[in-house]
Amino acid sequence: DSGVTQTPKHLITATGQRVTLRCSPRSGDLSVYWYQQSLDQGLQFLIQYYNGEERAKGNILERFSAQQFPDLHSELNLSSLELGDSALYFCASSEQVNTGELFFGEGSRLTVL
Amino acid sequence: AQKITQTQPGMFVQEKEAVTLDCTYDTSDQSYGLFWYKQPSSGEMIFLIYQGSYDEQNATEGRYSLNFQKARKSANLVISASQLGDSAMYFCAMREGQKNTGFQKLVFGTGTRLLVSP
Repeated sequence: DSGVTQTPKHLITATGQRVTLRCSPRSGDLSVYWYQQSLDQGLQFLIQYYNGEERAKGNILERFSAQQFPDLHSELNLSSLELGDSALYFCASSEQVNTGELFFGEGSRLTVL
Repeated sequence: AQKITQTQPGMFVQEKEAVTLDCTYDTSDQSYGLFWYKQPSSGEMIFLIYQGSYDEQNATEGRYSLNFQKARKSANLVISASQLGDSAMYFCAMREGQKNTGFQKLVFGTGTRLLVSP
């Protein structure tokens, strides 16, 4: 158990819909990262938050947005969903002090039908 | 440009044998970190081992060791005495950005699927 909690674990929805994925980082970790893992794109970095502020953006679509709240949990919002958005979405956290390793949650598997 | 390259899409090894998973990287930073993660079929990403660019000795964690060759920009994972439970996808990753600055992300390779046979 990495200490990072993601909900929901599985989500099935239709094209055009909107979903919210939630992440609680490890206790004490200030940084939260979102990654998307799809079959054809591999693990893609989406966005990073550090202590509530956006720090880095990767290959995140404009239809996607995220935020980190004062209690450090984070949400990834995916809207106007397309079939190609079907993927495993990982949240990870890090303490930024030691090795910098990322601790991953178990992921949220999104299926868009 | 691809920064992490894993050239082996799949590897087979017999139980109790050692296996090396290849990883090469590209960076102009002097300070960087290299990681290996394991992803079993259940999907979670499990951290295995870390090597800092200034670490003089190769990292080891139990049956995992990292063969770090800085001049060749390679960071191969060696798994000794393979077990059936080692069957999984293995990802090499590199940290971009400086630690302790609040900004860093991991860039991942495409992964190597390891199958351990009895």
